[in-house]
Amino acid sequence: AQTVTQSQPEMSVQEAETVTLSCTYDTSESDYYLFWYKQPPSRQMILVIRQEAYKQQNATENRFSVNFQKAAKSFSLKISDSQLGDAAMYFCAYVGQAGGGADGLTFGKGTHLIIQP
Amino acid sequence: DTGVSQDPRHKITKRGQNVTFRCDPISEHNRLYWYRQTLGQGPEFLTYFQNEAQLEKSRLLSDRFSAERPKGSFSTLEIQRTEQGDSAMYLCASSLDGRSTDTQYFGPGTRLTVL
Repeated sequence: AQTVTQSQPEMSVQEAETVTLSCTYDTSESDYYLFWYKQPPSRQMILVIRQEAYKQQNATENRFSVNFQKAAKSFSLKISDSQLGDAAMYFCAYVGQAGGGADGLTFGKGTHLIIQP
Repeated sequence: DTGVSQDPRHKITKRGQNVTFRCDPISEHNRLYWYRQTLGQGPEFLTYFQNEAQLEKSRLLSDRFSAERPKGSFSTLEIQRTEQGDSAMYLCASSLDGRSTDTQYFGPGTRLTVL
């Protein structure tokens, strides 16, 4: 079974600074997708960024970028120029191509990101 | 596009009662997923539908849990004879196509409290 590990229960960063959230995963599949979702307090989960495993180029979305290391099974999220609105729980998630959806998304336990003004 | 909606947003019930939650996916989204999220954890996959067909239900937590998606539109998740351990946030998500790797869009969730 696939597993996703987020080793940082909580991270704190000063506004306008850069922070990196860590995620590692375990899988025997070669074709899969990875996601970072953001869950603000009492609000719904929204997609931040996604990465296809077959793509070597790291995904970027404005201030958000990933460092995808396939061999190391690592998928970290970098947030540049942190803003107060970035404060939230961040979840790393995995889905394999082979399962056809039978496993849904596998999530890590999340990292609580605090932005210090 | 109005997004995924869930109803009710909060539900308080007594142990042993049955509860039903509703999820309305984004229009024209073929896949619909249900997850459970307990405090301090990431969401846990329960089941999913491709249109009206429930293609995976072995991950439902017990036979007290059941889900339907009549006519391939909205879905309901029912929990019979609720237990205190069922207290959690129940999340619904939908995706456009029939591929497991499509982006899933989540609803706001239904928070269940079992007294």
